[in-house]
Amino acid sequence: TQLLEQSPQFLSIQEGENLTVYCNSSSVFSSLQWYRQEPGEGPVLLVTVVTGGEVKKLKRLTFQFGDARKDSSLHITAAQPGDTGLYLCAGARSLEYGNKLVFGAGTILRVKS
Amino acid sequence: DTGVSQDPRHKITKRGQNVTFRCDPISEHNRLYWYRQTLGQGPEFLTYFQNEAQLEKSRLLSDRFSAERPKGSFSTLEIQRTEQGDSAMYLCASSLIADGTEAFFGQGTRLTVV
Repeated sequence: TQLLEQSPQFLSIQEGENLTVYCNSSSVFSSLQWYRQEPGEGPVLLVTVVTGGEVKKLKRLTFQFGDARKDSSLHITAAQPGDTGLYLCAGARSLEYGNKLVFGAGTILRVKS
Repeated sequence: DTGVSQDPRHKITKRGQNVTFRCDPISEHNRLYWYRQTLGQGPEFLTYFQNEAQLEKSRLLSDRFSAERPKGSFSTLEIQRTEQGDSAMYLCASSLIADGTEAFFGQGTRLTVV
């Protein structure tokens, strides 16, 4: 059973389009991270959201943590070919669980020029 | 470079051989995690250390797998009698307990068992 469900699994869009990736769970997380991973490399941390309802912006990327801290979304405005990659959400359980990160399966994004 | 370092980056081995991977975390990070990632999937948790103590092991970690962090700094992951199903990317991450949740990953070790 996947603790974190990401959707869509694959997204292919044209440069300049907007997109949203979703990360959903029935579990509550103390925080949620978004990572971007390129082929053959390790995931690179983009953002951490901690407070329910929190919104963080990173240039053209907007991250939101659900009010109940069970879900999150990543919105990209005016996507660029350089945004291409695997986007992973990861939820951190509480300290008693070692703050262990559990990952979604990822969303493969391809931005065509 | 003060990031997480993993060695080797790539390893090809014959079925039945033993392999060992090394991870050097960000200095002063007291938490160290090992994850395994197969193609098209997110990383799966294997085990984690707080300083030198191994606090949790996933059921994914069979008896052929062992991890150590002897001095609370670098860690090694050994796979004995490798099987083709062990082929995957093995990722190491570290974090500072005070920060709790932000984990930083190394570039991974790609294992291919032939």
